[in-house]
Amino acid sequence: SSELTQDPAVSVALGQTVRITCQGDSLRTYFGSWYQQKPGQAPVLVIYGKNNRPSGIPDRFSGSSSGNTASLTITGAQAEDEADYFCNSRDSSDNRVFGGGTKLTVL
Amino acid sequence: QVQLQQWGAGLLKPAETLSLTCAVSGGSFSGYYWSWIRQPPGKGLEWIGEINHSGSTNYNPSLKSRVTISVDTSNNQFSLRLSSVTAADTAVYYCARGAARYKWNYGNWGQGTLVTVSS
Repeated sequence: SSELTQDPAVSVALGQTVRITCQGDSLRTYFGSWYQQKPGQAPVLVIYGKNNRPSGIPDRFSGSSSGNTASLTITGAQAEDEADYFCNSRDSSDNRVFGGGTKLTVL
Repeated sequence: QVQLQQWGAGLLKPAETLSLTCAVSGGSFSGYYWSWIRQPPGKGLEWIGEINHSGSTNYNPSLKSRVTISVDTSNNQFSLRLSSVTAADTAVYYCARGAARYKWNYGNWGQGTLVTVSS
C-alpha cells in the first residue's frame, strides 16, 4: 500500500510534549519526512531522514521511527507550534506520498 | 539561500490546460529533483510529479495521463502543464525542491499559486 495515515487532530497543553504519528507500509523501508504548515503559508520541512532538522528548526522538534510508524515529537510545545503537520515518504514504485495531515492545537 | 518563485494563470475553465512555471535562484539547479505538489482548499497535499535537470520525469500515476513537467536549464526553471482540467483540479499548486538522495525531502517551496477551475 502507498498510503500514509495520520490522526486528523491532536491537542497538547502549552509546554507539554506531543507525539504525532504517521503509519504506512512504506515506512518499514523508507524514512518519513515531516512538514509544518500554518494557514495561508507553504509547508516547511521540520524533520527528515532518521532524525534531522533543517537549519532554523528548533530542537524541540524530533523524529523517530519504528516498524510501519514514523513519529514527530514536540517537546515543550509552544503556541507558535499550532499548525497542520504532514508526513511524507516514497512508496515501492518510487512515487511520493503524503499523509492526510494532523491539525495540532496548543491549549 | 535557494528561492523558488512561481507564476501562472489562476483562473481556468473546464477542459483548459493549466500552466505554471517555477524559477529557481540562489542555488544549484543540477543535482536535485524539482517537484510540483498541490493542495485542494482545506485538504491535504498531493504530489503531482518531479523532474531533474536532465529532464528525467516521474509522475503520480493518478495524474500521469494529463501531466507534463518540463525543464529549462538555461533559465533554471521548470514548468507544469495539466490538461483537461475540471473543478477537482482546483487547488493551491506549489513547486518544491527535493533532495538529491531522498527526493521526497522538500526543503524549499515556492509561494504557491491558487488555481481555480470554474465555468
